[in-house]
Amino acid sequence: DAGITQSPRHKVTETGTPVTLRCHQTENHRYMYWYRQDPGHGLRLIHYSYGVKDTDKGEVSDGYSVSRSKTEDFLLTLESATSSQTSVYFCAISEDDGEKLFFGSGTQLSVL
Amino acid sequence: AQSVTQLGSHVSVSEGALVLLRCNYSSSVPPYLFWYVQYPNQGLQLLLKYTTGATLVKGINGFEAEFKKSETSFHLTKPSAHMSDAAEYFCAVRGRGNNRLAFGKGNQVVVIP
Repeated sequence: DAGITQSPRHKVTETGTPVTLRCHQTENHRYMYWYRQDPGHGLRLIHYSYGVKDTDKGEVSDGYSVSRSKTEDFLLTLESATSSQTSVYFCAISEDDGEKLFFGSGTQLSVL
Repeated sequence: AQSVTQLGSHVSVSEGALVLLRCNYSSSVPPYLFWYVQYPNQGLQLLLKYTTGATLVKGINGFEAEFKKSETSFHLTKPSAHMSDAAEYFCAVRGRGNNRLAFGKGNQVVVIP
């Protein structure tokens, strides 16, 4: 299995608080992605990174920011959490060609 | 932008029967196409992919899919369903020249004994 660790695995927070999710990889892959999974919507890309300090927006980036200061770590921050951000968040990584994504086990986030 | 459509959020199939999951794509250029599977409480795993070459692609666990350009389809099949095939299946498309996958909404497969 690809070495991808997401933390925390579960989190409950209150509306308006900032939240940071962490994705750590041991594969030295260049590309890293954050997706959210919601019933009826499948997986939607939030942000992705194509190298250290190189990031770009996905299709549902509003209310989220990311940072990648090291190859192995990709952080997702909810600047001020809202109930609509209650979801399961998945980190994924891929090698240069991006043909195959390896997924982490996910973070279940509940915003009350 | 590329996209995929998967119809029918829930699919029930009898054990031993054919599994057929439909995926149609929209892309202005020949795409890369993928099927991923998600077992309960896990991340997604790659089942199979089509990039170039042979249009019939074989994947893990006895699954296969056929790329049909004329029908803009990439349907997933397995001749005989097993109880362990109960999972959610996602079709995905990636345009050539970028690394971003667009996923379909998924099919939840239930296998009936």
